[in-house]
Amino acid sequence: QQQVKQSPQSLIVQKGGIPIINCAYENTAFDYFPWYQQFPGKGPALLIAIRPDVSEKKEGRFTISFNKSAKQFSLHIMDSQPGDSATYFCAASRVEELTFGQGTILTVHP
Amino acid sequence: ETGVTQTPRHLVMGMTNKKSLKCEQHLGHNAMYWYKQSAKKPLELMFVYNFKEQTENNSVPSRFSPECPNSSHLFLHLHTLQPEDSALYLCASRAPGPYGYTFGSGTRLTVV
Repeated sequence: QQQVKQSPQSLIVQKGGIPIINCAYENTAFDYFPWYQQFPGKGPALLIAIRPDVSEKKEGRFTISFNKSAKQFSLHIMDSQPGDSATYFCAASRVEELTFGQGTILTVHP
Repeated sequence: ETGVTQTPRHLVMGMTNKKSLKCEQHLGHNAMYWYKQSAKKPLELMFVYNFKEQTENNSVPSRFSPECPNSSHLFLHLHTLQPEDSALYLCASRAPGPYGYTFGSGTRLTVV
């Protein structure tokens, strides 16, 4: 019930490509869905987040798409850059405590 | 810097040693967390403190012992660890509301 499944495990794209990372959850009590970005040697940092009453949220080149009926949400990175190379985690929150997906290692080649 | 400081950044310890990890935040957050991050595994919540009171212990072995003396400081005391405990240990703090999760840079622990 608390699990969040994330795919793919790793992703390689060329500069300018649009990587998409997908997450699925089971617990319908989750009420907040953030994405975190983690660079080597650093802790995860909040990137963008969405609530289940919204189907899409965009911040700069990052977009979350949310499908409540399918219990799925995804992160799209427009015009990806080598500096976007990092590990991305989706998460879901209930009572303000996060359950994380397994993480996706994104590599953007120049 | 994120405002959450963890020390040490790296720690190598033998299985019979006792050591402590420290986390400090001066963001005015009321909740603090310990997470374990192992390779190819999701982030694992270990302990939660709200206003210095432990509210969750996620079936963590007793060789890990948390301490929260005040709302700005959090410790993780380690003793008789196993090699499989080698991981990145992350501290996080939270302001009221789910937007407030701020992570430290972690302590890379190696148990030999």
